[in-house]
Amino acid sequence: DTEVTQTPKHLVMGMTNKKSLKCEQHMGHRAMYWYKQKAKKPPELMFVYSYEKLSINESVPSRFSPECPNSSLLNLHLHALQPEDSALYLCASSLIGETNEQFFGPGTRLTVL
Amino acid sequence: TQLLEQSPQFLSIQEGENLTVYCNSSSVFSSLQWYRQEPGEGPVLLVTVVTGGEVKKLKRLTFQFGDARKDSSLHITAAQPGDTGLYLCAGAGETSGSRLTFGEGTQLTVNP
Repeated sequence: DTEVTQTPKHLVMGMTNKKSLKCEQHMGHRAMYWYKQKAKKPPELMFVYSYEKLSINESVPSRFSPECPNSSLLNLHLHALQPEDSALYLCASSLIGETNEQFFGPGTRLTVL
Repeated sequence: TQLLEQSPQFLSIQEGENLTVYCNSSSVFSSLQWYRQEPGEGPVLLVTVVTGGEVKKLKRLTFQFGDARKDSSLHITAAQPGDTGLYLCAGAGETSGSRLTFGEGTQLTVNP
């Protein structure tokens, strides 16, 4: 299995809703990432988990809450989002090492109304 | 802070033409990845280059890593409409840990 899966593919939510994005990989990767991507722009790093522990938080607002239940799963809990949070949210995974070769999932297209 | 300057930002060509995309930096990278992304999808890894001066070929795509590991290029021969997409270079720094430094991307359109 050489892929990263993400659910849901699309999500529309109001500013008072609580929702979660899910990511799964079975490549034995011990680093997992959340990125936010706006149209025609490169991905922006949000969070990094290494060995199931949060190692990097790029000053992301607390309305985004990551969780890594085990080495294969990564969640992103969303609460009280703003319309400007609408974007493509990408999950990625990698081995921990020098090349940092990251494999991305297909993304969740999030629209906040 | 490491930066990767990617050029050109936009490229629109006819089927059958050749093209080159460049990524340049003043920083040394331990490795550099090239990705292609289609609208609404995640980036797909095309290649990773690690050694200075390395050249890798993937069908009509040729990737080169500069001798000093500060720059890279992607050359496409006889482009096809299926090559259309956003091309991203991303470097892993020697001191940046898990972070990748992304270029701004090249939006390529190949017209039939």
